[in-house]
Formats: sequence, structure tokens, C-alpha cells
Amino acid sequence: DAGITQSPRHKVTETGTPVTLRCHQTENHRYMYWYRQDPGHGLRLIHYSYGVKDTDKGEVSDGYSVSRSKTEDFLLTLESATSSQTSVYFCAIRTQDTTGDEQYFGPGTRLTVT
Amino acid sequence: AQSVTQLGSHVSVSEGALVLLRCNYSSSVPPYLFWYVQYPNQGLQLLLKYTTGATLVKGINGFEAEFKKSETSFHLTKPSAHMSDAAEYFCAVSKVTGGGNKLTFGTGTQLKVEL
Repeated sequence: DAGITQSPRHKVTETGTPVTLRCHQTENHRYMYWYRQDPGHGLRLIHYSYGVKDTDKGEVSDGYSVSRSKTEDFLLTLESATSSQTSVYFCAIRTQDTTGDEQYFGPGTRLTVT
Repeated sequence: AQSVTQLGSHVSVSEGALVLLRCNYSSSVPPYLFWYVQYPNQGLQLLLKYTTGATLVKGINGFEAEFKKSETSFHLTKPSAHMSDAAEYFCAVSKVTGGGNKLTFGTGTQLKVEL
């Protein structure tokens, strides 16, 4: 457990509405990531952050934005949700030790866009 | 660009039998390789990783994987399957860049363990 929580854990929303998902960590890790998981695709990187106010795009960033105003919180926003954004969203943090890098994942948020 | 191919989206074994989940990767630089396990309705849990050094790496729950550069493979094995091993397994490759280690995942292998 790397002290990662995600909220909400489940959400149903309508097409066209804005949605914000929150990732919260308690261990002051610099790097944070947002992935989406879809059947047949594994996990794909949406956006990541390498520090407060420092973010960059991942593989599937269209339709998503992120913000990181403090170390512990990384927010993912769907400005206008579409049905193709129905997915399970995972947040992750990066740790480093003498054996290299690792990422640890939160419990996920299941988002349904109707 | 880096990529991961997991052969077999579903694998079924008998309890007590060998588990072999296949993973092949492509990477332009020496890779870091990972196996994650996901139990139903849960997040991903790191099973094991290869960064440098010994090519046979041991992980949790009796799993191990061998990095074979010549075959660009990182197959996951366990000598004797247990019912509790039923889960989805993901292989991933990373490249350390200025943005940290960006993981590229395979599409996953669902492991079923039968009595």
C-alpha cells in the first residue's frame, strides 16, 4: 500500500457533463500518473506529473486535462464526458530505490458515461 | 517506441500445474520489465521487476520471471498453480525519460485455475 486513494470510487455521469477524479497520496512522491484500463487494451497512460504544476501528456490525452496544485493531489478532469471515456481509471505514483523505479497503483475509479 | 505483447488473453491451468504466462517486448534501449497482477475489482499489484543484474527474478507468491535479451522475452512462471492465483496478469516495459518511468502495458492475460 503506497498510501494512494482515489475518489470517487464509482461514478455514473451523463454525456456532456464535466467530471473530476481525484488521486491523493500521503507519501510526498514527486511523480504521479493517470491511466485508463479498457478490455483488450491493458492500461494506457493519459497524463502524468513530475511536480507541482508540472504535467505532461501521455498516450491517450485527448479529452482529458490534469492539474497538480499540491504534491499530494493529482486531479483528472473530463471537460465534457463522452461514452468513449467510460473506463476504469487508475492513479499511480513512482518510487525509486537502489533496485530501480517502480509504480504503485491506487484502487481505481469506475466511470460510466451514459 | 516500446511495446509489449502478451500471448494468450486467457490461460487455463489445473491446480498444481505449471503456470507459464508469455511476454515479449520491444524497446530501443535496455528495458525495465515488470509483471503486475490484478484481482477482481482491485488495483494492480507489483509481482516482480527486472532492472539490471540477475536475469532470473523472483517475486511474491512464488512467481518468477526470466529476462532473455536474445529472445526479447520476460515470461512469468510458477511451478505449482493455486486457486488463489486466478487473476489478470499484466506485463509492462518502461523507459526512464525526463518524465519518469513511463510504463507501456500489454493487454493482459486472464489466468483461470481449475480443480
